[in-house]
Amino acid sequence: NAGVTQTPKFQVLKTGQSMTLQCAQDMNHNSMYWYRQDPGMGLRLIYYSASEGTTDKGEVPNGYNVSRLNKREFSLRLESAAPSQTSVYFCASSLAGGPNEQFFGPGTRLTVL
Amino acid sequence: AQRVTQPEKLLSVFKGAPVELKCNYSYSGSPELFWYVQYSRQRLQLLLRHISRESIKGFTADLNKGETSFHLKKPFAQEEDSAMYYCALANDYKLSFGAGTTVTVRA
Repeated sequence: NAGVTQTPKFQVLKTGQSMTLQCAQDMNHNSMYWYRQDPGMGLRLIYYSASEGTTDKGEVPNGYNVSRLNKREFSLRLESAAPSQTSVYFCASSLAGGPNEQFFGPGTRLTVL
Repeated sequence: AQRVTQPEKLLSVFKGAPVELKCNYSYSGSPELFWYVQYSRQRLQLLLRHISRESIKGFTADLNKGETSFHLKKPFAQEEDSAMYYCALANDYKLSFGAGTTVTVRA
């Protein structure tokens, strides 16, 4: 099992460009999450999907959109990238929400110039 | 509102010395707390959770509801414990993470 996979691993964008970060899990998990990791701020939740067909905003949703394509896949889209979105993005999944262990992907390092 | 505070950004200890990572939380309900760890070039992974009350890699953490704390402790640090540690609080479908503490264990 690959667990949680993310593509791409690295990306450089210019301000205003758009892109989609892909995430997939093969653990038959119901819940999926997108976080950003910034120095001194820890991991902050951008969006989450408690189950297939539902998505909800997290702590820092502005500038992002998400799609829960099916049970396996959860994508994060930046419509018009800004330098403030330079960060490391992590996707995670869990069997269900709440106190269940979350399993993380390897991360995508995004730089917006 | 729920909040997780890790007051130390950096922690440096010598091999064999005790190490304690502080975590304080604010939450109106009954908290579910976790410690996650990220070793160099590895994925973030669960270290331990308070409801399991187990020791993982020599680490323990006790929930103190009176002090609203969930500090992580290890009596004898090892070089392989060098990593970033995050305290996290579960709420509904979400985890709220602290800012993290980078631990360096020196030989």
